[in-house]
Amino acid sequence: QLQLQESGPGLVKPSETLSLTCTVSGGSISSSSNYWGWVRQPPGKGLEWIGSIYYSGSTYYNPSLKSRVTISVDTSNNQFSLKLSSVSASDTAVYYCARRDKTYGYSAYWGQGTLVTVSS
Amino acid sequence: DIQMTQSPSSLSASVGDRVTITCRASQSITNFLNWYQQKPGKAPKLLIYAASNLQGGVPSRFSGSGSGTDFSLTISSLQPEDSASYYCQQSSSTPSTFGQGTKLEIK
Repeated sequence: QLQLQESGPGLVKPSETLSLTCTVSGGSISSSSNYWGWVRQPPGKGLEWIGSIYYSGSTYYNPSLKSRVTISVDTSNNQFSLKLSSVSASDTAVYYCARRDKTYGYSAYWGQGTLVTVSS
Repeated sequence: DIQMTQSPSSLSASVGDRVTITCRASQSITNFLNWYQQKPGKAPKLLIYAASNLQGGVPSRFSGSGSGTDFSLTISSLQPEDSASYYCQQSSSTPSTFGQGTKLEIK
């Protein structure tokens, strides 16, 4: 059974860089059928797609965050990562990693989510 | 960006009721529409993909329909465990976008 697990600091200071890693187990991140991506959810609010990466390294970002986002993949460790720079309080959210189907774009597998709070 | 508008934003229904949530896209997304259920403190759970395909393991009381710009999620006979928030998602173009959510409460 495929599992995804987010890891990283739960508290980040304003203007600094948020860094999270998603570790994939029970399957290969080098699958040609899937993208790997990040979705966030501010407390009490809806879902926002951040971006996705293919195992080859091709990336797709939400234009609203593109200037601050970098998603990378480490196939040797079956992990992919998110970096979000110059964070502010509005970036406080639960961050989910998820596997995205390459054909239809749905996400059947999600990490449990990790709350990242931006505060000094 | 394609805007996704869900309605209603919230609803309350009784066990056994038939419930329908709608989702409208700001432009045609053919059938690239997915539905998720989310319970408090949990990750979203995929219910329906490509507008009408039931994800494995999801009860058959859930169904999806629509194409183009108008879509719906129907629960044929509401159960207590269906209390949750529901989100539609378009995956037709980048960025993928979600509806604002529908909070379903059981009376």
